Amino acid sequence: EVQLVESGGGLVKPGGSLRLSCAASGFTFSSYSMNWVRQAPGKGLEWVSSISSSSSYIYYADSVKGRFTISRDNAKNSLYLQMNSLRAEDTAVYYCARGSGSEGFLDYWGQGTLVTVSS
Amino acid sequence: EIVMTQSPATLSLSPGERATLSCRASQSVSSSYLSWYQQKPGQAPRLLIYGASTRATGIPARFSGSGSGTDFTLTISSLQPEDFAVYYCQQDYNLPGTFGQGTKVEIK
Repeated sequence: EVQLVESGGGLVKPGGSLRLSCAASGFTFSSYSMNWVRQAPGKGLEWVSSISSSSSYIYYADSVKGRFTISRDNAKNSLYLQMNSLRAEDTAVYYCARGSGSEGFLDYWGQGTLVTVSS
Repeated sequence: EIVMTQSPATLSLSPGERATLSCRASQSVSSSYLSWYQQKPGQAPRLLIYGASTRATGIPARFSGSGSGTDFTLTISSLQPEDFAVYYCQQDYNLPGTFGQGTKVEIK
């Protein structure tokens, strides 16, 4: 059974940093691209970042470029999101999601971890 | 950036009725890169449809997707109680992989 479990969320002050993790199991992690998608309270979904299976290709939304860094450790079946210079508008539930096929649709999602940026 | 616009914002229907949800892209999207997701309150999104018309594993046949170019449709042939939720379309033909704002299907 495919499982994605996020951790690392919490309350952080504006300008602060946080590192999210996503532990994957039930599939060959090193064969799939991975993504972070966020959802602000009461709002819709926003794609944040993606990383290819071997980390060769990395992409970011303009809203987080230069502040967030996606990475993965295939030996540990883990995905990460380092978030720096956090702003109030980064407050959201952050989901990790597996990208499937060359088209990259998101076929499995974790339950999410809440990040709150507030003083 | 490709803007995805979903309509209507809210659809009020009764169980057993047919639901038709629209998703329009601001520029042409290859249908291979169009997917639909369902999200219930307090839950993560779930993949329903990919490639515009292919049901994901375990998705009932009452869900179907169609469309091409800039206009795509998700149809639920006969609404079941568990189908009342928010539905999002997404394109990842061009980065960023943009989502529509969602259509809420609520019980009338």
